[in-house]
Amino acid sequence: AQRVTQPEKLLSVFKGAPVELKCNYSYSGSPELFWYVQYSRQRLQLLLRHISRESIKGFTADLNKGETSFHLKKPFAQEEDSAMYYCALGRGSTLGRLYFGRGTQLTVWP
Amino acid sequence: DVKVTQSSRYLVKRTGEKVFLECVQDMDHENMFWYRQDPGLGLRLIYFSYDVKMKEKGDIPEGYSVSREKKERFSLILESASTNQTSMYLCASSQHTSGANVLTFGAGSRLTVL
Repeated sequence: AQRVTQPEKLLSVFKGAPVELKCNYSYSGSPELFWYVQYSRQRLQLLLRHISRESIKGFTADLNKGETSFHLKKPFAQEEDSAMYYCALGRGSTLGRLYFGRGTQLTVWP
Repeated sequence: DVKVTQSSRYLVKRTGEKVFLECVQDMDHENMFWYRQDPGLGLRLIYFSYDVKMKEKGDIPEGYSVSREKKERFSLILESASTNQTSMYLCASSQHTSGANVLTFGAGSRLTVL
């Protein structure tokens, strides 16, 4: 069975500090991993996906198959990064079903 | 620029009422989804559909049903609302291709059952 674990429900950092949101998964096949973000009063939206290997808003995430992790990192957090972040796993199917973690609420203090 | 529209932003219903939540997308997406979002529990899939008149149960389908009569519209039905169905409901859609896991979400419908 597939499962996504985000161990931190809440995470607080000060502006300019590095931030890492943890995500671990369990899946026996080849996973597709995603980070979705929901800013206050906005819709849930895709932040980044592992296959694109790009940096979005300064965030990066590397898929580590050995550790079954897909942690989200940013070297210098900004106040506008405060949001709810969800890690999600897909199984490569065209049906689009995703398995979401429980989310991490990030607060960046000024 | 709105692409996934949920008809009701806020609803208040009484226990036992029948509730309809409507979702319309204008991107010609094949896949559509209904999630509920609860603090501490994340997003849990209720039902999804990959084609007109097709539906698949998600992780928590009990107490819910869905309808997909047209490609652009996916409805969630609570046959007899209960207080434990008080939640934020999110609709989403995606293409039936390699981009299937890139979901576009609606703004959400916050349902309160009294």
